[in-house]
Amino acid sequence: AQSVTQLDSQVPVFEEAPVELRCNYSSSVSVYLFWYVQYPNQGLQLLLKYLSGSTLVESINGFEAEFNKSQTSFHLRKPSVHISDTAEYFCAVRSPDTGRRALTFGSGTRLQVQP
Amino acid sequence: SAVISQKPSRDICQRGTSLTIQCQVDSQVTMMFWYRQQPGQSLTLIATANQGSEATYESGFVIDKFPISRPNLTFSTLTVSNMSPEDSSIYLCSVGQGRNTEAFFGQGTRLTVV
Repeated sequence: AQSVTQLDSQVPVFEEAPVELRCNYSSSVSVYLFWYVQYPNQGLQLLLKYLSGSTLVESINGFEAEFNKSQTSFHLRKPSVHISDTAEYFCAVRSPDTGRRALTFGSGTRLQVQP
Repeated sequence: SAVISQKPSRDICQRGTSLTIQCQVDSQVTMMFWYRQQPGQSLTLIATANQGSEATYESGFVIDKFPISRPNLTFSTLTVSNMSPEDSSIYLCSVGQGRNTEAFFGQGTRLTVV
C-alpha cells in the first residue's frame, strides 16, 4: 500500500517570500509523484509531475519539486510567491508497477499568501 | 491532455433523495475514476469506472450507495443514493489515459444535502 504525508496543513507566507511545501511518501515499489493545485471553488489542476529522469521538475509558473528517493520526499518550492498562488496544494502518488492507476493523495496544504 | 465536463457543478438536495452526476470526456479514455472530497479534507477514491463491466469500489464504498455507469469510453455517471447530510462533499471525476501519464480532473460537483 502507498501513502502520502503532507506535514503542514497550512502555510502562511508573505508575498515575494520563498516557500516550501513538504511531501513524504511511503511505497514498497517505484512511484510516480504529482503535485496538484486547487484554487478556491475549482477542480484540481496538475502543477508538476515526476515520472522518471531528472529528479528536479519545474512548472511553468515558477514552482519546482525535487524527487529524493533516499528521503522518500517530493517537496514543492517556489523562490518568490504571489498573491495568486493562494490555493490548496495536494501531493499524490501512484505506482507504474501495479495495475492501479488511481492516485493516492496527501491531506493537502493550504498556502496563504499575504500582502 | 483531456477536457472533462462535469454536471451539475453544484446542487442542494433534500435528504433521502438521489443525485446523478455526469462526467463527459472529449476523448476516449481507458480509466475513469470518481473521488470524494469532504469539506476541508483530501480526496478519497470512491471507485474505478470500468467500461463494459461493474465498477471497482474502494473499501468503505458500496454499489448500492454509489451506483456507477460507464456505457462507453467517454462518459460515466455517479449516483449518490438516499442522501444524508454526511454526503455533502465535492465529487470529482478523473481520467487517466496512458500508463505513464498524469490524471486529469473535472471541475467537481459541490453537493449540499439538507
